[in-house]
Amino acid sequence: EAGVAQSPRYKIIEKRQSVAFWCNPISGHATLYWYQQILGQGPKLLIQFQNNGVVDDSQLPKDRFSAERLKGVDSTLKIQPAKLEDSAVYLCASSLDRGTGSNEQFFGPGTRLTVL
Amino acid sequence: QKEVEQDPGPLSVPEGAIVSLNCTYSNSAFQYFMWYRQYSRKGPELLMYTYSSGNKEDGRFTAQVDKSSKYISLFIRDSQPSDSATYLCAMTRGDYGQNFVFGPGTRLSVLP
Repeated sequence: EAGVAQSPRYKIIEKRQSVAFWCNPISGHATLYWYQQILGQGPKLLIQFQNNGVVDDSQLPKDRFSAERLKGVDSTLKIQPAKLEDSAVYLCASSLDRGTGSNEQFFGPGTRLTVL
Repeated sequence: QKEVEQDPGPLSVPEGAIVSLNCTYSNSAFQYFMWYRQYSRKGPELLMYTYSSGNKEDGRFTAQVDKSSKYISLFIRDSQPSDSATYLCAMTRGDYGQNFVFGPGTRLSVLP
């Protein structure tokens, strides 16, 4: 079974530029998550999709971050414009259903973003 | 006070030692508790989960939850160099649309 795929693995941009990350979840997984992990911290949930609907985006900085999950499969996360404090690893995860404790989240390798 | 707290370490132990990793939390609504292991430059992987209070054992790993004290623990027996990683606790209310909250992680080094 293929895992969660993410691209690119690394991205370096200058502040005020825009950037987009792509995630392909495990086939058949209904729930998809985007997390931001700043160095030395645990992952922080940015947005959670159930199929192609948003379940939780309470911690997504909506003035600069946007995400979509068309057709309930792949997802993209965009930052426009980027700030220095956006430097982090962006992790995508998926789970079969709603992601309770009994429903394991599988994480991708992450995209490491550096904003100069 | 942060919602979930965890000693960041680093924690260094000799091979074969028993390791104890801990988290405290403030939100009494959390019902599901998880431990993830994260190797350098990799995504986290689920080690164990428990629902409500109690113990759960899986091989060399034991997870404990004490909801009355808002305290969870992960014990690793006969630790191996391959256990060297960052260990993240995570928890959630468990209802639909709930938010997962991760601790900051504890870096563990098991020395051969």
